[in-house]
Amino acid sequence: EPEVTQTPSHQVTQMGQEVILRCVPISNHLYFYWYRQILGQKVEFLVSFYNNEISEKSEIFDDQFSVERPDGSNFTLKIRSTKLEDSAMYFCASTSGFMNTEAFFGQGTRLTVV
Amino acid sequence: QQQVKQSPQSLIVQKGGISIINCAYENTAFDYFPWYQQFPGKGPALLIAIRPDVSEKKEGRFTISFNKSAKQFSLHIMDSQPGDSATYFCAASLNSNSGYALNFGKGTSLLVTP
Repeated sequence: EPEVTQTPSHQVTQMGQEVILRCVPISNHLYFYWYRQILGQKVEFLVSFYNNEISEKSEIFDDQFSVERPDGSNFTLKIRSTKLEDSAMYFCASTSGFMNTEAFFGQGTRLTVV
Repeated sequence: QQQVKQSPQSLIVQKGGISIINCAYENTAFDYFPWYQQFPGKGPALLIAIRPDVSEKKEGRFTISFNKSAKQFSLHIMDSQPGDSATYFCAASLNSNSGYALNFGKGTSLLVTP
């Protein structure tokens, strides 16, 4: 069964450092997403990416965040200068495209900022 | 603004009982309403979804009831099993060319006791 894979599973970083979270979406999917889930809270949408550009972003996705699809398979989320409140589980997801809206989620990267 | 409101926050049901989780949404433009199941340490996984042109959808022990006029939808788990113990999230999204960003409820922690 196809799946979304994320690396690393857990990342610890010092406040102010840059982190890059990596995802490999399902190969024939066209839309890619990042969501985050602060411990014990709901899953929150960050950004969607289609045709090599951001198609939608939330208020959370400010200038310290960026996304990139550096090659044909990887999809990355970069946080430039991490803050304590960035500590959360970050989920990558993908959907195949128009009229098929099922989102497949990866297992997540737990980011801990100390 | 909380676009999707979910209740209850937690639920304890005996094995064999019916689990009912409710959600209400605000944006009448939403046209896709999925339920996700999440086990500890895992990403959300699609359980069942409905579009507003039908009032009910059943898949095995899981049923979504949808009330468009009341802007409410609910998940019913029949014959609940201990293996159903997980966190359940309702969500809603728009069908748009920019993607299908999911607006999640806050989640319901379900415990099914033996």
